[in-house]
Amino acid sequence: DAGITQSPRHKVTETGTPVTLRCHQTENHRYMYWYRQDPGHGLRLIHYSYGVKDTDKGEVSDGYSVSRSKTEDFLLTLESATSSQTSVYFCAIMRAGGEYEQYFGPGTRLTVT
Amino acid sequence: GDSVTQMEGPVTLSEEAFLTINCTYTATGYPSLFWYVQYPGEGLQLLLKATKADDKGSNKGFEATYRKETTSFHLEKGSVQVSDSAVYFCALTPNNYGQNFVFGPGTRLSVLP
Repeated sequence: DAGITQSPRHKVTETGTPVTLRCHQTENHRYMYWYRQDPGHGLRLIHYSYGVKDTDKGEVSDGYSVSRSKTEDFLLTLESATSSQTSVYFCAIMRAGGEYEQYFGPGTRLTVT
Repeated sequence: GDSVTQMEGPVTLSEEAFLTINCTYTATGYPSLFWYVQYPGEGLQLLLKATKADDKGSNKGFEATYRKETTSFHLEKGSVQVSDSAVYFCALTPNNYGQNFVFGPGTRLSVLP
């Protein structure tokens, strides 16, 4: 257990509304990630962070933004939600030490109607 | 770019049967390879890993060997249990710290009593 929580765990929202998902970790890991999981695609990286205020885009970043103002929190925002963003979102951290192991939160199921 | 290919599921086995889930990858250099497992309603959990050619990762009776000559990392278990029913993901990272983790689409395993 890497002390990762996500909130909310479930959310239903309407097309065009902004949505923010939160990832919180308790172990001060430097690297944090946001993925989305869709059938047939495995996990796809949206954004990642390598420190406070240091973020970069992943494979599927269009329509998403992130912020990291504190080490423990990594926020994912959908500026204007669309039905194609209906998915399960996972946050992950990577432990230091050169082993490149990722540890995942429990996920947020987002439905955009 | 880097990619991971897994055998398509679902895979259905009887309890105590032998399990193989095939995984092949495309990557430049010398990636680290991983197997993750996802139980219903949960996030991904690291199952095992290998960081260099001919390494064997093992955990909970599962094994996988890093075969650079065939670019493969097949997951095996000698005797599956009902509790092994889950989705299994093969993944790699090219070891460029903090960046690209690539996941396969996942293979769903169902073990029948």
